[in-house]
Parts: sequence; C-alpha cells; structure tokens
Amino acid sequence: KAGVTQTPRYLIKTRGQQVTLSCSPISGHRSVSWYQQTPGQGLQFLFEYFSETQRNKGNFPGRFSGRQFSNSRSEMNVSTLELGDSALYLCASSLDEGFRVNTEAFFGQGTRLTVV
Amino acid sequence: GENVEQHPSTLSVQEGDSAVIKCTYSDSASNYFPWYKQELGKRPQLIIDIRSNVGEKKDQRIAVTLNKTAKHFSLHITETQPEDSAVYFCAASRGEDSNYQLIWGAGTKLIIKP
Repeated sequence: KAGVTQTPRYLIKTRGQQVTLSCSPISGHRSVSWYQQTPGQGLQFLFEYFSETQRNKGNFPGRFSGRQFSNSRSEMNVSTLELGDSALYLCASSLDEGFRVNTEAFFGQGTRLTVV
Repeated sequence: GENVEQHPSTLSVQEGDSAVIKCTYSDSASNYFPWYKQELGKRPQLIIDIRSNVGEKKDQRIAVTLNKTAKHFSLHITETQPEDSAVYFCAASRGEDSNYQLIWGAGTKLIIKP
C-alpha cells in the first residue's frame, strides 16, 4: 500500500508570491491534516479535512487555506508569502471512519518551503 | 481548549541508560495519547499509543504510562541505543465530539551518548 505522498518535496518562492502544496493520502483514508514544522516550534496544526469539509482549524492567518477533493487528495495554499513562512509542511492522513475512533496518523515526507 | 506541555525539550543520556519524557494535558476529556518519533530528515512515525482505559502499555524497550488523575503521561525508553536518537512528540486528543484534533507537545530532542 502506498504511503502518504506530498509534492513537491522542495520549493523556493519569493516573498509576496503564493504557493500550492499537494498531499495524496493513503488509499481509503478520508482525514487529512496539515502541519507547519519549524526548528524549535514542533508541529503546528494548520487544518484538518474530512470528506471535503474543513473539520478543524489551527491559529494561522487567513493567508493559509486548504481544500480536499472527492478522492481525499488535499491541497494547501499560502498567499502573499512572508519570510517567516519558510518551514517544512507536513500532511498526515488517518483512517477516520466517522465513528470518533482515534487512529494512527501517517505522515508524508513533507514539502520544504523556502521563502526568499 | 486542550494544551499539551512536554518536558524536557532536550534530553541527553548515556547509551544503555533509560530515558523518560513527560507530557501534561489540560482537557480531562482527552482519551487518546500517541507518541511519535521523528528521526533527522524523516517523517514523524507512531511508536506507541495509549488510551484512557489503561494505565500502562509496553512494547519491547518502550513503555507509556498514563495518570488520568494528574493528567500526565510519560514515555519510557530502556536500554537506550544510538538509533533512539530522534525528536519525540507526544499528543493528546478526544474522540467523542466533532472537534477531534490531535494537540501536540513541542517535542523532545533525545541524544544518546556513546
């Protein structure tokens, strides 16, 4: 079974630009979460999607947005990039069947975004 | 909302010794507590988890204990080896309502000294 796939792996953007990152979850997983990871800051939760609906949202500005498609693939978008947005962006999928049973989150390799 | 605090931020132990990482949580309704290990340059991976209906769980050299009254849980690694060097994250969540979300600790960098 293929794991969680994130594309691209590396990205360099200029301040003020926008960027779109993609995440393909494990087949059958309907929950996809996005995290920002910076040195010393751990895993900062961005948002979670389930069945094409945003179910939870972290404390990030509106420049960060996302969506999920009917095949559970998810994208996140960051507009008007700032230098501080440089980070590793991780997505994780889980087999959440809607029964409110906590299950393991499987992470992708991440997209390393550098804003210059 | 839930808050998870993790200590220490860095832990250095001699190879062969034990390591203990502690997390406290604020939401008494939390019922699921996973631990993830992230090796340098790699993705976080689940190493062990515990649910609120048990107080301890073991898997070879790794164990997790949960004290629901005090609202804290700990990761114990015995007979540490060089490959245990990594960043460890704890998390907590509750699954009974629509706001299910993993709340993460800030991470502990574990260094195993040869």
